[in-house]
Amino acid sequence: TQLLEQSPQFLSIQEGENLTVYCNSSSVFSSLQWYRQEPGEGPVLLVTVVTGGEVKKLKRLTFQFGDARKDSSLHITAAQPGDTGLYLCAGGEGKLIFGQGTELSVKP
Amino acid sequence: GAVVSQHPSWVICKSGTSVKIECRSLDFQATTMFWYRQFPKQSLMLMATSNEGSKATYEQGVEKDKFLINHASLTLSTLTVTSAHPEDSSFYICSAWDRGRPQHFGDGTRLSIL
Repeated sequence: TQLLEQSPQFLSIQEGENLTVYCNSSSVFSSLQWYRQEPGEGPVLLVTVVTGGEVKKLKRLTFQFGDARKDSSLHITAAQPGDTGLYLCAGGEGKLIFGQGTELSVKP
Repeated sequence: GAVVSQHPSWVICKSGTSVKIECRSLDFQATTMFWYRQFPKQSLMLMATSNEGSKATYEQGVEKDKFLINHASLTLSTLTVTSAHPEDSSFYICSAWDRGRPQHFGDGTRLSIL
């Protein structure tokens, strides 16, 4: 059974701080997605990584896919209150395997 | 704009009522739609996989007679919660997928059973 371990599950930081969220598995994934979800809404896709070692940037967000395609990380630089939300990693294509989610709170 | 439309966004009803939730893929034909349930501050829990024109595949522990899924066309899937009870209160989310595309999610339905 494929599993994705996401950590930390909760993160509360001050505006301007940096943070990293990790997503790890013992299984290889063909692709991995990162989503952000706000309360009362569905998850919104941030990025898809497909190549081992790939790095993608989305403004202050940097996504990495491990060389072996078993792990991924999301790094946010200079976090802002608007970054607050639930971040989800998900692996695979079609039927996704989700991590446990990271509830991020950025205080002004 | 929204790629997947989910309706209604919020419903409150009495115990014993059946509730239907619609999920529409607006921009592409979705061969597969997924139905999830989510508890506060937790990740998504897959309930069932729905392929157009065939019976849904339910995850272990999900009662297929309780959660009826219909996927009659490539752009519409419905989830009916039959004889809903307070323990069925939750946030239900659908998603649409076709090979070569990322999965797109609806905005969810908040179901409250009194």
